[in-house]
Amino acid sequence: RKEVEQDPGPFNVPEGATVAFNCTYSNSASQSFFWYRQDCRKEPKLLMSVYSSGNEDGRFTAQLNRASQYISLLIRDSKLSDSATYLCVVNPGGGNTPLVFGKGTRLSVIA
Amino acid sequence: GAGVSQTPSNKVTEKGKYVELRCDPISGHTALYWYRQSLGQGPEFLIYFQGTGAADDSGLPNDRFFAVRPEGSVSTLKIQRTERGDSAVYLCASSQGLFTDTQYFGPGTRLTVL
Repeated sequence: RKEVEQDPGPFNVPEGATVAFNCTYSNSASQSFFWYRQDCRKEPKLLMSVYSSGNEDGRFTAQLNRASQYISLLIRDSKLSDSATYLCVVNPGGGNTPLVFGKGTRLSVIA
Repeated sequence: GAGVSQTPSNKVTEKGKYVELRCDPISGHTALYWYRQSLGQGPEFLIYFQGTGAADDSGLPNDRFFAVRPEGSVSTLKIQRTERGDSAVYLCASSQGLFTDTQYFGPGTRLTVL
């Protein structure tokens, strides 16, 4: 089982739709979790950290389920500009261990 | 302020040649990371520097890959005897300290080995 697994998509959704991505991780001792966004042929950028209590930033909501070892990202009222690849990122062992990136989930928002 | 910069943006080389890729991190960031991203994959960790020293080089695929950061700022990733399988985008990131701090990525160097 890979350390971080994501559905690669693509998810094709109309503007205004709500879309959710899940990501599973294999190491139950994982400490920190993030969602990064990567536009085509660009570098990844941090979208949001994922906290145990869940967190929300505008139209974006991230949640963590430690018991089932998955994290999720919900995007409400999708915009064309949300089209990108969303990378699930896990820190398996704490501050000094490398981040592990998933392959990414591709989202296309269509007019 | 300036973000992470990488040069060159594109590099085409022939199999067997030596290449150097440069990363200039955000000023004041002590931690610097190199990743490799192949098509359809997420970034894959290569090596991490804290200051001048390589704190973790467990991701380097073999001894053809080497990286330095002599003054604790700019870093160079060096690849000897390049192979076609080395073709990928090489990303550099920096952060203030630990892996859990926000990492800021540079635009990457697209390496093509013919």
